[in-house]
Amino acid sequence: TQLLEQSPQFLSIQEGENLTVYCNSSSVFSSLQWYRQEPGEGPVLLVTVVTGGEVKKLKRLTFQFGDARKDSSLHITAAQPGDTGLYLCAGSTSGTYKYIFGTGTRLKVLA
Amino acid sequence: DSGVTQTPKHLITATGQRVTLRCSPRSGDLSVYWYQQSLDQGLQFLIQYYNGEERAKGNILERFSAQQFPDLHSELNLSSLELGDSALYFCASSVVQEVGVAFFGQGTRLTVV
Repeated sequence: TQLLEQSPQFLSIQEGENLTVYCNSSSVFSSLQWYRQEPGEGPVLLVTVVTGGEVKKLKRLTFQFGDARKDSSLHITAAQPGDTGLYLCAGSTSGTYKYIFGTGTRLKVLA
Repeated sequence: DSGVTQTPKHLITATGQRVTLRCSPRSGDLSVYWYQQSLDQGLQFLIQYYNGEERAKGNILERFSAQQFPDLHSELNLSSLELGDSALYFCASSVVQEVGVAFFGQGTRLTVV
């Protein structure tokens, strides 16, 4: 059973546009991570959010953890072709060691 | 380079066969995780080991098994292979038992023909 739903599933935008990707769950997560994956490569960690309401910035990427720690968002400002990839959220719920991944958002930024 | 090493990178085998995938975690990492990634199912959690002991099981088939050795490397054994087992298999490692940060290897692409 997939506990982390991401939306949208696919996103194709022009260079310079802004976008937001969402990660939602009915469960409370002790922490949540965002990864980016290139084709044929393993996911690469972008950020970890731990506290409800936490906002973290990584250059043009802004990550937010929901107040109830059940959801998260990733906002990209002025997207560039280099941002193209599969974005995955992941985490584990309290009391379990299962580390699960979201369904993924495949982003394509056109030059 | 994440520091997690997976071998082999590619594997082609016939249905019914058995294969072993190997993972060496980052130096100092005690936890190892295995994931299966196919086009239509995303990254599926298979199993986690911490310091040689199984800690969590996900959607791992009975035909699949894994273990973590005293030197902390891990192996994933896949037997009685079926066409549907074709996928990318990733190993990840983290320092602690409860994952906060996981570093992934480059994966083993398994093709069953």
